[in-house]
Amino acid sequence: GQQLNQSPQSMFIQEGEDVSMNCTSSSIFNTWLWYKQDPGEGPVLLIALYKAGELTSNGRLTAQFGITRKDSFLNISASIPSDVGIYFCAGPPSSGGGADGLTFGKGTHLIIQP
Amino acid sequence: GAGVSQSPSNKVTEKGKDVELRCDPISGHTALYWYRQSLGQGLEFLIYFQGNSAPDKSGLPSDRFSAERTGGSVSTLTIQRTQQEDSAVYLCASSLNVLASLGYTFGSGTRLTVV
Repeated sequence: GQQLNQSPQSMFIQEGEDVSMNCTSSSIFNTWLWYKQDPGEGPVLLIALYKAGELTSNGRLTAQFGITRKDSFLNISASIPSDVGIYFCAGPPSSGGGADGLTFGKGTHLIIQP
Repeated sequence: GAGVSQSPSNKVTEKGKDVELRCDPISGHTALYWYRQSLGQGLEFLIYFQGNSAPDKSGLPSDRFSAERTGGSVSTLTIQRTQQEDSAVYLCASSLNVLASLGYTFGSGTRLTVV
């Protein structure tokens, strides 16, 4: 089935640094979603990308949908302590619809060092 | 309700016992999804409901797992004869309709520990 590969698996950064993470797939996705999961909570949708090449910002977050539709990146500028968590990329199967659920990557764990 | 509510938030059970996990979706959301998140892993899709029907149950890990949804609202995920490998966080999500591209709203999950 379709798989999403996220890198890096974990990041240790200093507060105030910029963060960049990406997600790749061997198959085409028509939509890319980025979620964040805080400890003990379910994932929360951060950004949704619908068009190849699309660049979308949400506050300090910026995400882009790759031209090939096989990759996406998420950038966080000027990180703050509440950015800590696990970031997942996700996408619907190429068949579309909800019957197969979303495919999720294994996540990038962001840790901010004091 | 205002969000997706799952209960219990934590469950510790003995191997071989049955457990029932509950999900109360956002009012008006017709689509409901169950996922499993094992330690350090991404989310594994289990099953999806549109209204009360589940078109495809092939994502359930084994025949010990079953799920139902009644009245187009509350859903229960039942695991019979639990095994240690069933230990995980079980997440429920709901969305307005079947278009997964719209993104889901997740509950906080049920952390299941089988001892």
